Amino acid sequence: GAGVSQTPSNKVTEKGKYVELRCDPISGHTALYWYRQSLGQGPEFLIYFQGTGAADDSGLPNDRFFAVRPEGSVSTLKIQRTERGDSAVYLCASSSGTDNTYGYTFGSGTRLTVV
Amino acid sequence: LAKTTQPISMDSYEGQEVNITCSHNNIATNDYITWYQQFPSQGPRFIIQGYKTKVTNEVASLFIPADRKSSTLSLPRVSLSDTAVYYCLVGRGSQGNLIFGKGTKLSVKP
Repeated sequence: GAGVSQTPSNKVTEKGKYVELRCDPISGHTALYWYRQSLGQGPEFLIYFQGTGAADDSGLPNDRFFAVRPEGSVSTLKIQRTERGDSAVYLCASSSGTDNTYGYTFGSGTRLTVV
Repeated sequence: LAKTTQPISMDSYEGQEVNITCSHNNIATNDYITWYQQFPSQGPRFIIQGYKTKVTNEVASLFIPADRKSSTLSLPRVSLSDTAVYYCLVGRGSQGNLIFGKGTKLSVKP
């Protein structure tokens, strides 16, 4: 597609529920990143995929968070047993992985609210 | 990964040139310097990237001294629409994760 698409744009869920956030990267981009951003803070790195594999998942806060990218394109961030502290904007970005010229392209994010 | 330090906020007026300086004392040899812009309710948007000396594109200029321990983003003749948060990052360009700080909140007034 023309840009990085994230769905849903907004998600409200109850504490303890399971949620899935989807990211459609730019076609052909091999690298995909998940970040989350709390109000007034910069984006915080969660996980980075190169192709289908997670090249760096050091930012995932705990084992309630998991992400997949089974075919090397679309990625899903999964959060189990959601907590109120998980409320944030979850951002996805993609890049070619080899060309430094244009950096990352971010989506508009999914605003997750846990009530 | 190198840490960056930049001012929390800056104010300017329409038509002025704005320079935002970022320090990155521990930058590694392979690191690039990249600046992003973020508007409310949007993801960050790539502005400019450089390795050394000066880089210019249609949006901004990036000045990097020889020791690469700092960099300055220059926005010529800002307008109200340039009001945003600007992030300075160092890292391997489009490879690997980028570490964002809190950024500089630029407010442009009429």
